[in-house]
Order: sequence, then structure tokens, then C-alpha cells
Amino acid sequence: EIVLTQSPGTLSLSPGERATLSCRASRSIVSSYLAWYQQKPGQAPRLLISGASSRATGIPDRFSGSGSGTDFTLTISRLEPEDFAVYFCQQYANSFTFGPGTRVDIK
Amino acid sequence: EVQLLESGGGLVQPGGSLRLSCAASGFTFSSYAMSWVRQAPGKGLEWVSAISGSGARIYDGASVKGRFTISRDNSKNTLYLQMNSLRAEDTAVYYCAKPERENSYGDWDYWGQGTLVTVSS
Repeated sequence: EIVLTQSPGTLSLSPGERATLSCRASRSIVSSYLAWYQQKPGQAPRLLISGASSRATGIPDRFSGSGSGTDFTLTISRLEPEDFAVYFCQQYANSFTFGPGTRVDIK
Repeated sequence: EVQLLESGGGLVQPGGSLRLSCAASGFTFSSYAMSWVRQAPGKGLEWVSAISGSGARIYDGASVKGRFTISRDNSKNTLYLQMNSLRAEDTAVYYCAKPERENSYGDWDYWGQGTLVTVSS
């Protein structure tokens, strides 16, 4: 099983600031089968990024994904009020596993 | 518009059974693999089971193997999850999820609203 580790656990930032979220895999993820999701309280997860760097339909371009192998990053260039949420990475190269999540909250 | 609507959740005693359904609309259901993903209260996400578009291939997570059975009825555009021998640790919101592309399994771009399963005596 590929284990995903996310850091930091919580990120406290102000609107307009840049957020950088990390996801590290226990072994290399082939074909960059890595996705990022946003989840708000009481809601289902929302796909942001697939294939490590492809934005899903309707996702604003302030969200970007990068990385390969074992190290991946989600960047939110300028935080909007609606971006404060929990973010999960997920791999789908070998079965399916999620990271524990990074909470982005308002400083 | 793609819609996924789960039903069938509720309170069940340990050792009991429950069947979840997910009614799909707005896309060619039989062309997509489908999955169940769950989330225990206040916890992270855990993939449960996946099934190919035709239903011929099934994949189960280790924690539910031998107890849960995923199936689908493409004539009814409906996904199912039969859950037997339920345990307290199965308590969670259960989501059905659809992948972005027809030849994919795990990049889920549409999710249902979820149905809560509570296993307790």
C-alpha cells in the first residue's frame, strides 16, 4: 500500500496570501496518478487536480498542482475566503489511498 | 447535469447488514467505473470498493474484503454496496463517486451527498 503523508497538518494564513501544501508518498507514484481534493464541513470532497497537475473542470487557475515520483505540491496563489477548508491528496496508481489532510484556516 | 444520490444508510447493530444504493443520472453510467468511499466522523477519507463499468471487475479495500460486496445494475443506473457483518469501525458517511474519464478509476470528479451508516448497539 502506498502511504501518503501531508504537511503541514494545519496552515494558518490570511486572505490574499499564498498557500503551499505538500504530499509525500511512501514510494513512487507511476504516471503521476495523484489527485487533490478540497472538502468543506458537511460537504462531499471536490476534485481540484488530477494527474498531479491538471485542473478539474471549473477549478479556478489560482489552484495549481506540481510534482512527480514521491513529492507533490498543491499551491493556491492567492487565498480567497471560500478556500479555507481541508485539502486531501489521493493516489490512484496502486489501489486508492488518501493523505490525512491539511487544514487551511484563517489567521 | 451529473447527479449521484445515495440512500439506505441508518442505524444498525454490530453484526448486522445494510444495503446502500446510489442512483446515477446525467452521464452514461455503464461507461464508468464507480466507487464507494467512506469517511468516519471527524476523520479522513477511505476508499471502500470499486467496480468496472460492465461489473466484471471488482476491487475491495482490505478493511471490508469478505464483508462488503459492490455491485451495479446498469439497466437502472444504480450502484449498490451490500454490507454484512458490520462493525463499530464501519460507522461513517458513505459516498459513491464517479471518475473523470471513462477509462479511469480513481480521479473522482463527482460525488454524492453521502449517506450515514451508524453501527451501534
